Amino acid sequence: GAGVSQSPSNKVTEKGKDVELRCDPISGHTALYWYRQSLGQGLEFLIYFQGNSAPDKSGLPSDRFSAERTGGSVSTLTIQRTQQEDSAVYLCASSARGAGNTIYFGEGSWLTVV
Amino acid sequence: GDSVTQMEGPVTLSEEAFLTINCTYTATGYPSLFWYVQYPGEGLQLLLKATKADDKGSNKGFEATYRKETTSFHLEKGSVQVSDSAVYFCALSDQGDYKLSFGAGTTVTVRA
Repeated sequence: GAGVSQSPSNKVTEKGKDVELRCDPISGHTALYWYRQSLGQGLEFLIYFQGNSAPDKSGLPSDRFSAERTGGSVSTLTIQRTQQEDSAVYLCASSARGAGNTIYFGEGSWLTVV
Repeated sequence: GDSVTQMEGPVTLSEEAFLTINCTYTATGYPSLFWYVQYPGEGLQLLLKATKADDKGSNKGFEATYRKETTSFHLEKGSVQVSDSAVYFCALSDQGDYKLSFGAGTTVTVRA
């Protein structure tokens, strides 16, 4: 597609439930990133994919968070047993190659845990 | 590690005023520098970038010059409009790296 597409745009879930957030990167972009934007924390890096592998998962805040990417394209970020502190906007981004190239962001998935 | 420090907001201006948002960085290599903008209700958009010292990035009337000697990348616009109201983020990507390190963001409100 023309840009990075994310779904759902908004999600309200009960504490303890699992959620899945989807990202469809720009066609042909091999690098894919997940960031989290929350009040008081700014923009935090979560994970980076190059193709289907994730050489850097250092930003995932706990083992409740996981992500996968299939076919070098779509990625899913899964949060298990959600907590209220997980409430944030989850941003996906992609770039043509990993290093030094412009990173383009999607509009984000706004997650609210109640 | 790499870091970006940008001017705290919020910043409130009148239309046609001059805008400057200061940004300084710390990096081990020779980073690429970016300004991203987030308009109300929208996602992050790349505003401009510069990849080496003395480069000037420009877009939509905004400019920023990569100053290696002062490790700065200040954003400027000579005459702002109400439509420039947004949150502005300074960011860097270090040479050979793949991650963006962001500043905290500066909220700018332009009043008619």
